[in-house]
Amino acid sequence: ETGVTQTPRHLVMGMTNKKSLKCEQHLGHNAMYWYKQSAKKPLELMFVYNFKEQTENNSVPSRFSPECPNSSHLFLHLHTLQPEDSALYLCASSLGGHHEQYFGPGTRLTVT
Amino acid sequence: GIQVEQSPPDLILQEGANSTLRCNFSDSVNNLQWFHQNPWGQLINLFYIPSGTKQNGRLSATTVATERYSLLYISSSQTTDSGVYFCAVERSDYGQNFVFGPGTRLSVLP
Repeated sequence: ETGVTQTPRHLVMGMTNKKSLKCEQHLGHNAMYWYKQSAKKPLELMFVYNFKEQTENNSVPSRFSPECPNSSHLFLHLHTLQPEDSALYLCASSLGGHHEQYFGPGTRLTVT
Repeated sequence: GIQVEQSPPDLILQEGANSTLRCNFSDSVNNLQWFHQNPWGQLINLFYIPSGTKQNGRLSATTVATERYSLLYISSSQTTDSGVYFCAVERSDYGQNFVFGPGTRLSVLP
């Protein structure tokens, strides 16, 4: 247990579906992150939020839409995904920028 | 941006053996972490070590920031050490952009 939880743990969705991934941290941190881990590729940072404000967007397609209603919760809204978006999506949090990051268990997403 | 390399890419050990994993990075950094990813995908924090040496049980890590590398030592390896080991670095000049290396896949055989 790292203090970061993610739901669901597994998700299968069609290309026309809309779904959301949820992340919650119980560590009192102020920064939250979404990462994507595809097979045979290093983890890629997608989005960063500090105090609920988005501070980094690493050229992520608009079919991925993040939302951070407060410092403890982070969502990733998914719509009209492609099969190549199938991956492990990991959420992380840290006390602030440039501090130690703690990861959730991930959501394994399959797009059919 | 920063480039991160890890070596070796794959490592197979007999239980009880020792090993050294290496992480090289292309620029000075403010943040360096080592993680172990278990077979279920969970990333487990091993060390937060932008410089210096730390030890935790059978594991220890050293970062030589001036020479841009970090080493992770695993002694008396156990089958539960199997998985992928990642180092990740961050430099404040490049924003809040944590860059992961490609990982070292470790298999410890009984």
